[in-house]
Amino acid sequence: DAGVIQSPRHEVTEMGQEVTLRCKPISGHDYLFWYRQTMMRGLELLIYFNNNVPIDDSGMPEDRFSAKMPNASFSTLKIQPSEPRDSAVYFCASSNPTGANTEAFFGQGTRLTVV
Amino acid sequence: AQKITQTQPGMFVQEKEAVTLDCTYDTSDQSYGLFWYKQPSSGEMIFLIYQGSYDEQNATEGRYSLNFQKARKSANLVISASQLGDSAMYFCAMSPRRGNEKLTFGTGTRLTIIP
Repeated sequence: DAGVIQSPRHEVTEMGQEVTLRCKPISGHDYLFWYRQTMMRGLELLIYFNNNVPIDDSGMPEDRFSAKMPNASFSTLKIQPSEPRDSAVYFCASSNPTGANTEAFFGQGTRLTVV
Repeated sequence: AQKITQTQPGMFVQEKEAVTLDCTYDTSDQSYGLFWYKQPSSGEMIFLIYQGSYDEQNATEGRYSLNFQKARKSANLVISASQLGDSAMYFCAMSPRRGNEKLTFGTGTRLTIIP
C-alpha cells in the first residue's frame, strides 16, 4: 500500500484565497483524521470521520474551515477565506479499528503558507 | 478530557547510549491507548510503539520499549543503543479506548544524538 497520500505537499497562497487540501487514506481504513501542526499550538485534531461520517469537528477553528469525505478513498479540508494565521502543516491520518494494531498512519503533510 | 505532558523540550545523548523520554498523562477514561511517534526533520510522523491501558506487559518494538506505569500515569519511551538516525522530535500521544479515535499529543521532545 502507498500509505496516506496528501496533496499538495506545499501550498503558498495569498490572504483571502480559497485553499483546498486533499487526502487519500489507506484502503480499508475506516477512520480519517485531519490534524494541524504549528509552533505555537503543537499538533491538534481538527476533525475526524468514521465511515465517511464526521464524528467530531470540535477542533475546527472557525467557519472558514470545512471538511468533507464524499467516499471512503477521498477527503478534503477547505479554508475559505484563508488568513496568515492559518499557516501550518496539515496532516491527514487514517486508521483501521479491526486491525491488529491501532495506530494512525500519517500522510506526509501539506505545508500551507498564507501571505 | 485527556492531557499529555512532556517536560523535556530537548535532550542530548551520546551515540550508543540508552535514552528515556518522559511522558505523563491525565484521563478519566478507564480504557485508553498510549502512543509514541517520531518526527524527523523531513516532517513525516512515524509510529513507533503502542501500549493499551489494560496491557499488563510493557510494549516493545525492536530498540524501543515503553515503560508503562499505570498508577503513576506515566508512559516513558526508552530507546536502547541510540543511533544518529534517532535524532528527531518525539511525541507522546493518547486516545480513548483502544486508540482508534482522536489522538491528543504532547508538546514533544527534541532528541539529538551526539556522535
